[in-house]
Amino acid sequence: DAGVIQSPRHEVTEMGQEVTLRCKPISGHNSLFWYRQTMMRGLELLIYFNNNVPIDDSGMPEDRFSAKMPNASFSTLKIQPSEPRDSAVYFCASSFSLQGDYGYTFGSGTRLTVV
Amino acid sequence: AQSVTQLGSHVSVSEGALVLLRCNYSSSVPPYLFWYVQYPNQGLQLLLKYTTGATLVKGINGFEAEFKKSETSFHLTKPSAHMSDAAEYFCAVTRGGADGLTFGKGTHLIIQP
Repeated sequence: DAGVIQSPRHEVTEMGQEVTLRCKPISGHNSLFWYRQTMMRGLELLIYFNNNVPIDDSGMPEDRFSAKMPNASFSTLKIQPSEPRDSAVYFCASSFSLQGDYGYTFGSGTRLTVV
Repeated sequence: AQSVTQLGSHVSVSEGALVLLRCNYSSSVPPYLFWYVQYPNQGLQLLLKYTTGATLVKGINGFEAEFKKSETSFHLTKPSAHMSDAAEYFCAVTRGGADGLTFGKGTHLIIQP
């Protein structure tokens, strides 16, 4: 298995531009999570999906952030418009939420820089 | 609500010495506990996890952790540090099911030659 695949690995954009981060979870996993990592706040859970349905988006910082999961093999995290304080590493993770099996697998992350 | 406290943002040990990274959790339900390692500019790799059963959990790279319910702790240990262990270590907790992980702030492990 190729693991959780995120793209792009690095993104540099100008303030005000739209940014879309992409994630392909592990085949067969039914839960998907988006995290943000910064020096100041550490790892924060932004939103998670179960069976493609958003379950909890209380971690999404503002309405500028949105996430979708149109099917079991693809998810996007969009920031529109982007701001310099959105600069961070964004991780996607997936798991199979069967009782007793909590194998969360993380992607390599997308390093976002907003200038 | 759950939370994780990792004592010590930086821990420095000599090569060959015991590694001890501390983690305390708060959870309203029986927790599932994890340790992840992150090398520079990389993602998070699972070291070990406690879900049910034996409270002493062995992981990769010679690490182990013990779940102590009475102390609400899940400290990570390794008998003999290696230079390659230098990294950031994160403790995490979840209620299980489809819930996500709540992470501690991380501990940067430094290995002195």
